[in-house]
This record gives sequence, C-alpha cells and structure tokens, in this order.
Amino acid sequence: DAGITQSPRHKVTETGTPVTLRCHQTENHRYMYWYRQDPGHGLRLIHYSYGVKDTDKGEVSDGYSVSRSKTEDFLLTLESATSSQTSVYFCAISDRGANYGYTFGSGTRLTVV
Amino acid sequence: KNQVEQSPQSLIILEGKNCTLQCNYTVSPFSNLRWYKQDTGRGPVSLTIMTFSENTKSNRRYTATLDADTKQSSLHITASQLSDSASYICVVSSLTGGGNKLTFGTGTQLKVEL
Repeated sequence: DAGITQSPRHKVTETGTPVTLRCHQTENHRYMYWYRQDPGHGLRLIHYSYGVKDTDKGEVSDGYSVSRSKTEDFLLTLESATSSQTSVYFCAISDRGANYGYTFGSGTRLTVV
Repeated sequence: KNQVEQSPQSLIILEGKNCTLQCNYTVSPFSNLRWYKQDTGRGPVSLTIMTFSENTKSNRRYTATLDADTKQSSLHITASQLSDSASYICVVSSLTGGGNKLTFGTGTQLKVEL
C-alpha cells in the first residue's frame, strides 16, 4: 500500500457522533475514491473525487460527506454515525480514472455502538 | 442491473495443488475485467486487468481467462502456496454516460493448507 495511507486504522464510536476518516496519498493521483466493504456485499462506492474540490456521489452516499482541499488528502465524514455504518472503509487512488487500475489503502475498521 | 457473481464462495485446498475460481457477470456495456487479491486486514491488490479482446492473461502463478461472449472469467492458481490464502475479487468495469462504473463481486475466500 505504498503511497496511500488511511487513518485511523480502527475506530469505535457512539451512535450520533460525527466521525472523519482520512485518506492521504503521496502519488499525486488525480482520482480518489471511498468504498465500504460489508459481508455479503461487494465493495460499494460512497463518494469519489476527480480533482481538488471536485467530488461526486457514489451508490451509497446517504449519511456521508467528503472534502478534498488538497490533492493528497480526501476526507470522509459520517455526519451522525449510525450502527448501519459499521463497516470497513477503503480509500483508493487512480491516476487515470475508474477504467484503469486502482491502488487501495489498507482500510479503516469502524464500529458504531 | 449490473451484477458480478463469483463461485465458489469459499475453497480449501492443499499446498501445491491447483485451483480455479469463477466469475460470471451481467455488466453492460463491458469495458474491462479485473481480478484482485485481498489478504485479511488489507486492501485489495490488482492481479490482472483484461479488456474485451484479451482471452488469457498471466501474472506469475495466476492465469485469468475471459470469455466475453458467455460473460465468464476464471482465475487459475497453479502450484498453490500458503501465501495464496486470501479473498479473490472479480471486478467488472462498464462505460456509462457518466463515466466508468465498477461492479464488484463478493469474492471467493481461498484457504491453502499444509
């Protein structure tokens, strides 16, 4: 996972609290993505970014927001965490977009109690 | 609805043996198909990416095949090693009016034992 770092790696939070996950890259890639991975489901896209301050929704964006103020950082915020948002969250980067290869981070395991 | 189905869901084999994982998809229009390996507690790592015109692609002991007519792909692992124990995920990319969309399978969990 060289070049892409997610923080924190693990987090436990209470229902109703805001949570921010961070994805940091050193590859200067234009595209960044947030996915969640749940048992019985394939990875599902939450939000993505195609440049600084350019973001768009994915298929499961409700309850999430993102920000990208710098090329290297893509933040995912759970505005008011719910138990259904307990999941493993992966960030991915790409220099040419979704049709080409991704590099994934190591993931953040989030538990909402 | 775009779907990617993988089989088997899980598989246990002995070290040194070969195995084949299957991926069937109903994604349209097709752009490419990828296989990823995901070790426990880690993010997926790309093994191969195949376009419409490619039937076979190899990466060390991994060989992927693609039949675009039947919308099937397989991943063959030769002479398995303990380090091959992981989840293998099939991903299909489709071209849409809004850009590319990826559809992920749920993965095949492979365990290689002594």
